[in-house]
Amino acid sequence: NAGVMQNPRHLVRRRGQEARLRCSPMKGHSHVYWYRQLPEEGLKFMVYLQKENIIDESGMPKERFSAEFPKEGPSILRIQQVVRGDSAAYFCASSPQGQGNSFFGQGTRLTVV
Amino acid sequence: QKEVEQNSGPLSVPEGAIASLNCTYSDRGSQSFFWYRQYSGKSPELIMFIYSNGDKEDGRFTAQLNKASQYVSLLIRDSQPSDSATYLCASKNTNAGKSTFGDGTTLTVKP
Repeated sequence: NAGVMQNPRHLVRRRGQEARLRCSPMKGHSHVYWYRQLPEEGLKFMVYLQKENIIDESGMPKERFSAEFPKEGPSILRIQQVVRGDSAAYFCASSPQGQGNSFFGQGTRLTVV
Repeated sequence: QKEVEQNSGPLSVPEGAIASLNCTYSDRGSQSFFWYRQYSGKSPELIMFIYSNGDKEDGRFTAQLNKASQYVSLLIRDSQPSDSATYLCASKNTNAGKSTFGDGTTLTVKP
C-alpha cells in the first residue's frame, strides 16, 4: 500500500514562472491537506480538499495560489508567477476522513531563483 | 498568541534520560492532539495521538493531555541518539479537519 506520493520532490523555478505540485493520497483516502513549511519553521496549513471540493482554504494566499482535487487524478497545488518568498517545502497529507490521523508525503521542495 | 505553542528549544538530553516536550493550545474547541517527529529534510512522521484527558503510552513514548489547562506533553523514556529530531505538536478541531501545528522543538540526544 503506497503512502502519500508527491512529485516532483524538488522543483526549481525562475521568478515569474508557474509551479505545479502534485499529490496522490493514500489508497482509500479522500481528504487531502496542503501545508507549507519555511526553513526553521513549523507547518502552516494552506488548504483542505475532498474530491472535487475545496473544504477550507483559509490558509491560502489570496493571489497566485490555487488548489484542486479532481474526480480523477492527483491533487494539484498551483503557484502562478512565483516569487523568491514562495521557496519552501510543500507537504501534502491525506486522511480517510476529515477527523482522522493524517499521513504526510515526502514533500516538494520549491526553490525560486 | 499562536494557536499552538511549543518550547522553543533546543532541548538536549543525555542518552538514556527522559526527554520532556511541552505544548499549549489556545483553541478550546480542539479535540485531538498529535505529536509528529521530523528529521532534518524529511517529512513529519506521526508518533502519537491523544484525544482524552490523561496519559497514553506507546513503548517509550507517553503523551499527556490536560484539557482544563490546555496542555499537551510528550515524554520519551530511555532517549536514544536516533530520537534526535524536531518534534511537532498539532491540534485538530473536529469541525475543521485541518491540523494546526506548533513551530516544533528540536531535541538532541547526546551519546
